[in-house]
Amino acid sequence: EAQVTQNPRYLITVTGKKLTVTCSQNMNHEYMSWYRQDPGLGLRQIYYSMNVEVTDKGDVPEGYKVSRKEKRNFPLILESPSPNQTSLYFCASSPIGPHTEAFFGQGTRLTVV
Amino acid sequence: AQSVTQLDSHVSVSEGTPVLLRCNYSSSYSPSLFWYVQHPNKGLQLLLKYTSAATLVKGINGFEAEFKKSETSFHLTKPSAHMSDAAEYFCVVSDAPGGYQKVTFGTGTKLQVIP
Repeated sequence: EAQVTQNPRYLITVTGKKLTVTCSQNMNHEYMSWYRQDPGLGLRQIYYSMNVEVTDKGDVPEGYKVSRKEKRNFPLILESPSPNQTSLYFCASSPIGPHTEAFFGQGTRLTVV
Repeated sequence: AQSVTQLDSHVSVSEGTPVLLRCNYSSSYSPSLFWYVQHPNKGLQLLLKYTSAATLVKGINGFEAEFKKSETSFHLTKPSAHMSDAAEYFCVVSDAPGGYQKVTFGTGTKLQVIP
């Protein structure tokens, strides 16, 4: 089954403790991206990747890192999480570029206390 | 720079009446435009997309949208609302400044369908 898989689905952590949210897709898509969703703000793009080893900042990259060492994986790293990073996070992938349909993961609800 | 404005944060309609969700966009390039739907506690699903072909785009579940360049609008419509349409809807614009493709979501419109 074609899908984007995020882990974990739910995470509660403390301020400053490094964490990684994994994202994997099995559709051989070139384009992958991370979003955060906050009430009243919609989804905002954090980082995106056009292909392996090619990443770029979205609209809200501060406090986040990403890497794209393999085509299928695009982990999101929070080196020192803070409470303002409490949010719902979505990973998405699409073929060729974002002008094609994006496939979304089920989301990761992160709480930083 | 690109942007999207969804003109209504909440829309309430009666079951069986038409749905209109409004979206205006701004883009310096030839944009691709999308509507996605998010049901409660679910991920996002594509309803329809415009990518410079026909200006009237038909999507799933009876939804359609019309691209109007002169008005920079991409409103979503459906002739008759069903209870299952209650969800949050996002208008999305994507273009490619400098060859790198960014995606911008609107802030969303919550659709309530009254029995």
